Amino acid sequence: SAVISQKPSRDICQRGTSLTIQCQVDSQVTMMFWYRQQPGQSLTLIATANQGSEATYESGFVIDKFPISRPNLTFSTLTVSNMSPEDSSIYLCSVRERSYEQYFGPGTRLTVT
Amino acid sequence: GQQLNQSPQSMFIQEGEDVSMNCTSSSIFNTWLWYKQEPGEGPVLLIALYKAGELTSNGRLTAQFGITRKDSFLNISASIPSDVGIYFCAGARQGGSEKLVFGKGTKLTVNP
Repeated sequence: SAVISQKPSRDICQRGTSLTIQCQVDSQVTMMFWYRQQPGQSLTLIATANQGSEATYESGFVIDKFPISRPNLTFSTLTVSNMSPEDSSIYLCSVRERSYEQYFGPGTRLTVT
Repeated sequence: GQQLNQSPQSMFIQEGEDVSMNCTSSSIFNTWLWYKQEPGEGPVLLIALYKAGELTSNGRLTAQFGITRKDSFLNISASIPSDVGIYFCAGARQGGSEKLVFGKGTKLTVNP
C-alpha cells in the first residue's frame, strides 16, 4: 500500500488564524480524501480532493472554511481557515487504492486556543 | 450522513480472551473494511471483504461479510496487550460513490 505522510503532525494555533496541512503520497493516486476526527469520535469525510479540478465537499463543509488544493497525483493540502476551538480535531488524509480500500496518513492533531 | 451501527462501544478483557464485535446497517453494502487505530496514529486497514458470506483471516483476526450484505463481524482470538486500540468498521454502499461510511468504533482494552 501507499506510504502517506502529513505535515505538521500536530500544532497549537490561536483562534482566527489559519493552518495548512500537507499530505504527501509516495506513489501516484487518483483519489485522495480529507477527514476530520473530533476527540473520541469516528471519522467524518470533509471532501474528496480531485486532481485538476475543485474538491467535492460533503454536507456541512464549505470551501471558504476548508480550501483544498490538489496540484498533482501525489500531493494535497487542506487549510483550516479562521479557526475556532471547535476546529480542534485530528485531520487525516487518505488515498484509495484497489476497490474501495482507503489507506490513511498518520494525522495532524490540531488544538485551537 | 449515514453511519454504521457498531457494537459494543467498548470492551475490557483479559489477555488471552477472544473478542467479537460487529457492524450493522439498514442498507446493503458491497464492501466491508475493518480498521484499527492506535493512540496518536491514523487508522490502519486490517481486513477487506468483498463478497456476501466471505470469511477472511489476518493472523489472529477473522472477519466475515454477512449474507444479508447488511452486517459484518470481526473476531480477535487469544488477545494480547498490543491489540489495544479502537476498531472501526467501514462500508461502501452498493451503487454508491467512492465514499466510505464509518462506524463509531469499538474501544478495546486488554488487561495483562
